[in-house]
Amino acid sequence: EAGVAQSPRYKIIEKRQSVAFWCNPISGHATLYWYQQILGQGPKLLIQFQNNGVVDDSQLPKDRFSAERLKGVDSTLKIQPAKLEDSAVYLCASSFSPTGETQYFGPGTRLLVL
Amino acid sequence: AQKVTQAQTEISVVEKEDVTLDCVYETRDTTYYLFWYKQPPSGELVFLIRRNSFDEQNEISGRYSWNFQKSTSSFNFTITASQVVDSAVYFCALSEFYNNNDMRFGAGTRLTVKP
Repeated sequence: EAGVAQSPRYKIIEKRQSVAFWCNPISGHATLYWYQQILGQGPKLLIQFQNNGVVDDSQLPKDRFSAERLKGVDSTLKIQPAKLEDSAVYLCASSFSPTGETQYFGPGTRLLVL
Repeated sequence: AQKVTQAQTEISVVEKEDVTLDCVYETRDTTYYLFWYKQPPSGELVFLIRRNSFDEQNEISGRYSWNFQKSTSSFNFTITASQVVDSAVYFCALSEFYNNNDMRFGAGTRLTVKP
């Protein structure tokens, strides 16, 4: 069974530029999550989707971050404009359902903002 | 809101030593789930174990074992006869049943196993 796929794996941009990350969850997983992991810290949830609807985006900086999952499968996370403090690893995870299920993570996208 | 504390920032052991990683959690819910993930240098979070709040049985999987004690709100992880390949950052995490599976992670413990 294929795991969670993410691309790109690495991205370097200058501040104020835009960037987008893509995620393809495990087949059949209805719930998709985006996390931000700053160096030396644990992952922090940014947004959670159930199918194509947003369940929780309370920790998403909505002035610059946006995410969508239009067809309930793939998802994209965008940052516009990027700031230096956005440098982090962006992890995508998926689970079969939102309640108590194990979340399986992709390899992450390492973003460096200069 | 739930909280997970991993007090050990870094641990260094010599191969074949046993090592225990501590995890203490806080939650108001009676139904919750605890997890351990391993993050090797490659960066991917690898799932190790999931335990629900109604199952306090300890679990053993090969060289790995977990001790869940609700009385002390702890979910500790022990590696027996550690190997160099066990070197990684280990995260403990908690999700609450009535909080849409919002998983909160601890800060992680970096384990280095020296040959």
